[in-house]
Amino acid sequence: DSGVTQTPKHLITATGQRVTLRCSPRSGDLSVYWYQQSLDQGLQFLIQYYNGEERAKGNILERFSAQQFPDLHSELNLSSLELGDSALYFCASSVGSRRTPTGELFFGEGSRLTVL
Amino acid sequence: AQKVTQAQTEISVVEKEDVTLDCVYETRDTTYYLFWYKQPPSGELVFLIRRNSFDEQNEISGRYSWNFQKSTSSFNFTITASQVVDSAVYFCALSEVINDYKLSFGAGTTVTVRA
Repeated sequence: DSGVTQTPKHLITATGQRVTLRCSPRSGDLSVYWYQQSLDQGLQFLIQYYNGEERAKGNILERFSAQQFPDLHSELNLSSLELGDSALYFCASSVGSRRTPTGELFFGEGSRLTVL
Repeated sequence: AQKVTQAQTEISVVEKEDVTLDCVYETRDTTYYLFWYKQPPSGELVFLIRRNSFDEQNEISGRYSWNFQKSTSSFNFTITASQVVDSAVYFCALSEVINDYKLSFGAGTTVTVRA
């Protein structure tokens, strides 16, 4: 158990809909990262938050947004869903930038999104 | 540019054979970390091993060992005496200080261990 909790584990929805994925980081971790794993793109970094503020953006679509709340949990919002958004979405957490001695990220079990 | 390259897409071996997974990385950072993660069929990402850029000493941890060579930017991973439970996708990943420790993953190598 990595200590990172993601909900829901599975989600099936239709094109055009909007979903929210939730992540609770490990206790004490300030950084949250979102990754998307799809069959054709592999594991892609989406976005990172550190202590409530956006720190870095990767290959995140404009239809997607995220935030990190004061209690450090994070939500990834996916809107106007398309078939191609079907993927496994991972959240990871770490202590934080520049204080992380090893750079290790701890991953949740992922949220599997299926868009029909 | 691809930061992490795993040239092997799939490897199939018979139980008890050794499996070596290749990984080549690219970075301008002087401080970085290299990882291997395992993703079994159940889907979760499981941390296996970690190495920092200042320590090229190769080690063995149980049935896992790794060969880190900065001169060739390679971080190869070996499973000794493979078992069926080792069947999974294995990802090599690079974490750079200049990129705030974001992990850049390779494409993964699917390992199938046959009984």
